[in-house]
Amino acid sequence: ETGVTQSPTHLIKTRGQQVTLRCSSQSGHNTVSWYQQALGQGPQFIFQYYREEENGRGNFPPRFSGLQFPNYSSELNVNALELDDSALYLCASSPRTGGVEKLFFGSGTQLSVL
Amino acid sequence: AQKITQTQPGMFVQEKEAVTLDCTYDTSDQSYGLFWYKQPSSGEMIFLIYQGSYDEQNATEGRYSLNFQKARKSANLVISASQLGDSAMYFCAMREGLDTGNQFYFGTGTSLTVIP
Repeated sequence: ETGVTQSPTHLIKTRGQQVTLRCSSQSGHNTVSWYQQALGQGPQFIFQYYREEENGRGNFPPRFSGLQFPNYSSELNVNALELDDSALYLCASSPRTGGVEKLFFGSGTQLSVL
Repeated sequence: AQKITQTQPGMFVQEKEAVTLDCTYDTSDQSYGLFWYKQPSSGEMIFLIYQGSYDEQNATEGRYSLNFQKARKSANLVISASQLGDSAMYFCAMREGLDTGNQFYFGTGTSLTVIP
């Protein structure tokens, strides 16, 4: 069983640029969530995708956007990068079986904005 | 108000001893789930244990147990027989309601160091 994989593992961008982060969900999981974890903080919910549609969003501006593909993989896009966007971005997948829905996380993408 | 509060930024425990990591939560929902995750330096969040708001018994998973006190809105994690590999960040999290699309709220975490 393949776990959640994210790419790239590290990324350096400059302010104003755009970035795309990628996530492959665990086999059999149809729901993908993205979280931002700033240094020394807990993860903060960005949004969730289910069946290729956004299915919940946290307190993040519209320049944070996403996609989910038919194979349930997902992308997180961030436009007009700001210094405060520097963080670990975690992708999590879940099966949505109706039982206890625990999140299965990838190892994250460390984004540095200079 | 914070949904999840973890008041211990760092904890130390001797190998083979037990340790309790504190977590309090804030919600007006009757249905909610409480989770603990471990985050090693690799960054991946690893699920440890789950407690549902209607569960009458405290959850246990191997060396992990959750001390659930609903009236006090606390969900402390107890790790028994600590091992060196337990050194990591530990996060308490909550999901409100029964909608599986609801977000998880995480605390700020507790850094646990196991001393040989």
